Amino acid sequence: GDSVTQMEGPVTLSEEAFLTINCTYTATGYPSLFWYVQYPGEGLQLLLKATKADDKGSNKGFEATYRKETTSFHLEKGSVQVSDSAVYFCALSLSGGYQKVTFGTGTKLQVIP
Amino acid sequence: SQTIHQWPATLVQPVGSPLSLECTVEGTSNPNLYWYRQAAGRGLQLLFYSVGIGQISSEVPQNLSASRPQDRQFILSSKKLLLSDSGFYLCAWSAGGASNQPQHFGDGTRLSIL
Repeated sequence: GDSVTQMEGPVTLSEEAFLTINCTYTATGYPSLFWYVQYPGEGLQLLLKATKADDKGSNKGFEATYRKETTSFHLEKGSVQVSDSAVYFCALSLSGGYQKVTFGTGTKLQVIP
Repeated sequence: SQTIHQWPATLVQPVGSPLSLECTVEGTSNPNLYWYRQAAGRGLQLLFYSVGIGQISSEVPQNLSASRPQDRQFILSSKKLLLSDSGFYLCAWSAGGASNQPQHFGDGTRLSIL
């Protein structure tokens, strides 16, 4: 079946450090890929997306590139801030009557001043 | 613009009591609607989805049920809550059709069963 694997957390970084959160997937067909962010006590917010191979999604300094050859969609940011502390979810979506989304288990990021 | 409202934000209920969580979407028509549960420190588990009024599909057998009485209203219910029903419940919507449409989430309901 379809699945998304994220690196285990928590990830602790100092402010202005470089961030990478790894995400790999398995899917039948050609999925769309997403990163969502969840701040404490809140729902998930879409951070960025990519809908086909080699697409790069970007938002708020975060980037991720859809790599079909490695089935990966790693999230990166050049310089993290304390306000980036949250849980990050990688997800894939395949259409099939409804939009079935498979989420990773989430990676908690803590940025310390 | 589209908005999604979910309530209540927090709920404390005794074991065996009934449950009703409500979710409404504004600014769009015929959305796909979803209920997820998120256990503490874990990922999301899809509970129900709906592609239209009265059309409900269950992903996980359990003592919960869902209903969609109106196009933009989605209700999660239980007749008798279990301790294992504790968690963070999220409602979401997406535009029907292509898989490249993201899901949009409400702020969630934190349910504690005593």
